[in-house]
Amino acid sequence: ETGVTQSPTHLIKTRGQQVTLRCSSQSGHNTVSWYQQALGQGPQFIFQYYREEENGRGNFPPRFSGLQFPNYSSELNVNALELDDSALYLCASSLSSGRTDTQYFGPGTRLTVL
Amino acid sequence: KQEVTQIPAALSVPEGENLVLNCSFTDSAIYNLQWFRQDPGKGLTSLLLIQSSQREQTSGRLNASLDKSSGRSTLYIAASQPGDSATYLCAVTNFNKFYFGSGTKLNVKP
Repeated sequence: ETGVTQSPTHLIKTRGQQVTLRCSSQSGHNTVSWYQQALGQGPQFIFQYYREEENGRGNFPPRFSGLQFPNYSSELNVNALELDDSALYLCASSLSSGRTDTQYFGPGTRLTVL
Repeated sequence: KQEVTQIPAALSVPEGENLVLNCSFTDSAIYNLQWFRQDPGKGLTSLLLIQSSQREQTSGRLNASLDKSSGRSTLYIAASQPGDSATYLCAVTNFNKFYFGSGTKLNVKP
């Protein structure tokens, strides 16, 4: 059972715009991670939040930012959208900081940048 | 920088065959390794998680092994079924960062 949800399912934006993607973790999961998955590739780690603090970051520029809230919801914000930002964005939650726990993934948000 | 490689990129087998998927990683300082399944256009489903201190994990027809020293993991699928058709991804965890391979796309023919 995953219980992780994401919204919206699909989104179309134009270059230069800003976007906010949302994730609702399983109840009790203190950790959320965000990933970008381009077509035909494996997911690329963007960052992880643990108890509302950023706890690890991949090789993504500062225009990718996030927030985690006490109610187990979180957001991924991307500013100044570029064409290469078109991808499936996945969030995953786990009980602790992710070192030893299984990650449970949501279905993803498909972002298209025109 | 950790790099994760999966071979083969695609695999097509007849139903009932046993098969092995491979995953290799360059930095052996990992906390764990996880195997996932991804259906087209969907999120990932966790199959097996192996902690760095473990050698293998089993769930039903699936068995995953881990050899940290050589930087390798295998996922063994017994008696494959058409419903096993999907992309299989492995991921390793290093210091609160996660690294995925590009996956093996499996097609099991009836």
